[in-house]
Amino acid sequence: GIQVEQSPPDLILQEGANSTLRCNFSDSVNNLQWFHQNPWGQLINLFYIPSGTKQNGRLSATTVATERYSLLYISSSQTTDSGVYFCLGGGADGLTFGKGTHLIIQP
Amino acid sequence: NAGVMQNPRHLVRRRGQEARLRCSPMKGHSHVYWYRQLPEEGLKFMVYLQKENIIDESGMPKERFSAEFPKEGPSILRIQQVVRGDSAAYFCASSYRGSENEQFFGPGTRLTVL
Repeated sequence: GIQVEQSPPDLILQEGANSTLRCNFSDSVNNLQWFHQNPWGQLINLFYIPSGTKQNGRLSATTVATERYSLLYISSSQTTDSGVYFCLGGGADGLTFGKGTHLIIQP
Repeated sequence: NAGVMQNPRHLVRRRGQEARLRCSPMKGHSHVYWYRQLPEEGLKFMVYLQKENIIDESGMPKERFSAEFPKEGPSILRIQQVVRGDSAAYFCASSYRGSENEQFFGPGTRLTVL
């Protein structure tokens, strides 16, 4: 099945900073999603983005399908952004989560 | 417009008992996926079902685990003769069409095996 690698594994930032999280995948994908798992364990949909660029408030994402990667941008970080960010990639041949980026935003 | 529902939210079982986890997909969704998240780890795909059919069970352990999605009612993930290593959060997701479509996740069932 497809391999999905996320980087960095851990990230500690001060409130107000910007960050870029990356997801690389080993093969073409028809489905690429970003999630935020909050401290209570809930998975929050951020973006469904198999290709192109989307923005939602302080968050934006870009997927370059031909180069097999996706980026999640968080601007002006807030403490509530803390948690683990996962990407999910795949399609008809299977689905794989990355291992996540653990983000801590310090006040 | 309810999202994906899972119950129970927390389940405690003793070793050797059976665990039944239920998932009701979003209205209009006929594709269901089960994932397992072990403590301090990422999510691992287990099984993908469409109404009355298992599409992909490549992530399911070969023994003790089974899943179904009947024509009527929720999807069920069944774990027989649970062991301590089954303790995990089990998440269900649903999509309108196939696995290339956006998935929406339920709140998860946290299984603890004593």
